[in-house]
Amino acid sequence: SYVLTQPPSVSVAPGKTARITCGGNNIGSKSVHWYQQRPGQAPILVVYEDKNRPSGIPERFSGYKSENTATLTISRVEAGDEADYFCHVWDGYTDDVVFGGGTKLTVL
Amino acid sequence: QVHLVQSGSDVKKPGASVKVSCKASGYTFSDNYIHWVRQVPGQGLEWMGWINPDGGATKYAQKFQGRVAMTSDTSIKAVYMELSSLTSHDTATYYCARDLAPAGTVVLNWFDPWGQGTLVTVAS
Repeated sequence: SYVLTQPPSVSVAPGKTARITCGGNNIGSKSVHWYQQRPGQAPILVVYEDKNRPSGIPERFSGYKSENTATLTISRVEAGDEADYFCHVWDGYTDDVVFGGGTKLTVL
Repeated sequence: QVHLVQSGSDVKKPGASVKVSCKASGYTFSDNYIHWVRQVPGQGLEWMGWINPDGGATKYAQKFQGRVAMTSDTSIKAVYMELSSLTSHDTATYYCARDLAPAGTVVLNWFDPWGQGTLVTVAS
């Protein structure tokens, strides 16, 4: 089965840039989506189709993808960005939905 | 505004079944798949499967085959997820989420929005 690998944690100082990676074999051929989950809350979509932002999501959130890695970038990090972040793809070979293990973003 | 509202938390004994509901509003109910995703406390997101509310076609993750059933009631714009033969390992928050892919398509998309989650606790 397809596997997405995320770092368990990322720490960043306020005002700096956080980068959260999501690795997968040939992920460049798949659409990657990202969700933010604050403690005790349901996930919300922050980036879809690799690099697009839903309405209401700040421009500070952006996505990028290369052949084997997708990256969620959060610029000018704020305390309110502290949350878990999950990447998501659909694996067309198995018709399964796959999530990364999640990355806890800590704002120092 | 699109909303998914789930049923409240539940406590079940090992071996029992649980049925969680998810009511949709703010869009054409039959237009999009609904997925179910669960999250064991302190862990990540685990996909369980999807249902096409228009017709009831389903796709389940292999892990849950034979133990999960997803159904829909278009008259009240609701979908249901029933999980049977519960064990303590099924203690989790269960989410429904709308897939932005058109129902009937072969390619799945992103999930937006998600329901608020339903905590199911399995304990003797």
